[in-house]
Amino acid sequence: DGGITQSPKYLFRKEGQNVTLSCEQNLNHDAMYWYRQDPGQGLRLIYYSQIVNDFQKGDIAEGYSVSREKKESFPLTVTSAQKNPTAFYLCASTITGGVNGELFFGEGSRLTVL
Amino acid sequence: GENVEQHPSTLSVQEGDSAVIKCTYSDSASNYFPWYKQELGKRPQLIIDIRSNVGEKKDQRIAVTLNKTAKHFSLHITETQPEDSAVYFCAAREASDSWGKFQFGAGTQVVVTP
Repeated sequence: DGGITQSPKYLFRKEGQNVTLSCEQNLNHDAMYWYRQDPGQGLRLIYYSQIVNDFQKGDIAEGYSVSREKKESFPLTVTSAQKNPTAFYLCASTITGGVNGELFFGEGSRLTVL
Repeated sequence: GENVEQHPSTLSVQEGDSAVIKCTYSDSASNYFPWYKQELGKRPQLIIDIRSNVGEKKDQRIAVTLNKTAKHFSLHITETQPEDSAVYFCAAREASDSWGKFQFGAGTQVVVTP
């Protein structure tokens, strides 16, 4: 089955701890994205990547970091510098440069800071 | 950059009635406008999209219209059913990125009452 897998689905973190959210896709998509979803605010872009070893900051990158060492993988680290990390995080991917720009989303990871 | 506004934030309709959600965008160069449906606790999924060279697109009970001059696009759902209850997001893709940096609206919570 092709798709995007995010893990863990639920994560609890103490203040001051870094956590890493996993995102893996087997769709052979070039571009991958991380979005943050808060109630009433839609989806806000954190980071995105078009190719391996290259990524760009989105609108709300402060307090987050990413890596893109493999085409299939785009993990997101929520660092202790992120002041309000409790949110629902969505990973997405798409084919770059294609006519069809559909974003495919993972199931999401819900992070709660205790 | 692109800015997308979506209205209303909540919409309650009787089963069988129509629902309309409107979005406006700021960048006249944006060229791709998808609509996503997100059921509670699930991933957003594409339900319909429209490109800037088309004014209207229909798929069974859902349709999208685009007015490039006014920079707004709308989602129309006819003969609503309880399973249409969800959060709906509009988005616009910035034309400067061929691989698609999307800006999302804040979402509309649609509730269809039997």
